Amino acid sequence: SQQGEEDPQALSIQEGENATMNCSYKTSINNLQWYRQNSGRGLVHLILIRSNEREKHSGRLRVTLDTSKKSSSLLITASRAADTASYFCATDYNTDKLIFGTGTRLQVFP
Amino acid sequence: DVKVTQSSRYLVKRTGEKVFLECVQDMDHENMFWYRQDPGLGLRLIYFSYDVKMKEKGDIPEGYSVSREKKERFSLILESASTNQTSMYLCASSFRGGAGTQYFGPGTRLTVL
Repeated sequence: SQQGEEDPQALSIQEGENATMNCSYKTSINNLQWYRQNSGRGLVHLILIRSNEREKHSGRLRVTLDTSKKSSSLLITASRAADTASYFCATDYNTDKLIFGTGTRLQVFP
Repeated sequence: DVKVTQSSRYLVKRTGEKVFLECVQDMDHENMFWYRQDPGLGLRLIYFSYDVKMKEKGDIPEGYSVSREKKERFSLILESASTNQTSMYLCASSFRGGAGTQYFGPGTRLTVL
């Protein structure tokens, strides 16, 4: 399977702390995306980073991509209780499809 | 805003029943996708479609079929539902190129008894 792996599987932090989750993938990609899923709902797109980019920001989100290590990280700064969700990375592996990882469950305590 | 709707949030069916899951998007997207999501397995692609009347198998098409008669509507069909098809089903659409940003519906939690 080419499915990516998120690490850690679960993360619990206090409000105000930063949350970092990682994604590793198997072969070359055109882009890597991060999605959020609130409990029992659909996924929401957060950010897309292309293979020739190293870092991208969107509000409190910072995504990095290291193609030599085939890995990406998602940093959420100053976490809020509303950030509690599952976070998934998705890679294209130079195809027209996305392969989703198994996700990181983030719990932010008030 | 892109809106993707799915016909039911929760569905309970009996083994052997034929099940239809409907998905509608309102942004004139060419591409539509059906995934199933199971604990510990993430999202797995069942079928996708790049255009009306076109369909491609994903990673786990067995036991499923699809129909896309209109651009905005993509249906997933379970010909004879089985208990191992109990899952969360997610529909998504994207503008051009399946590897671009995908917009998801709220999901249908299907239970097969």
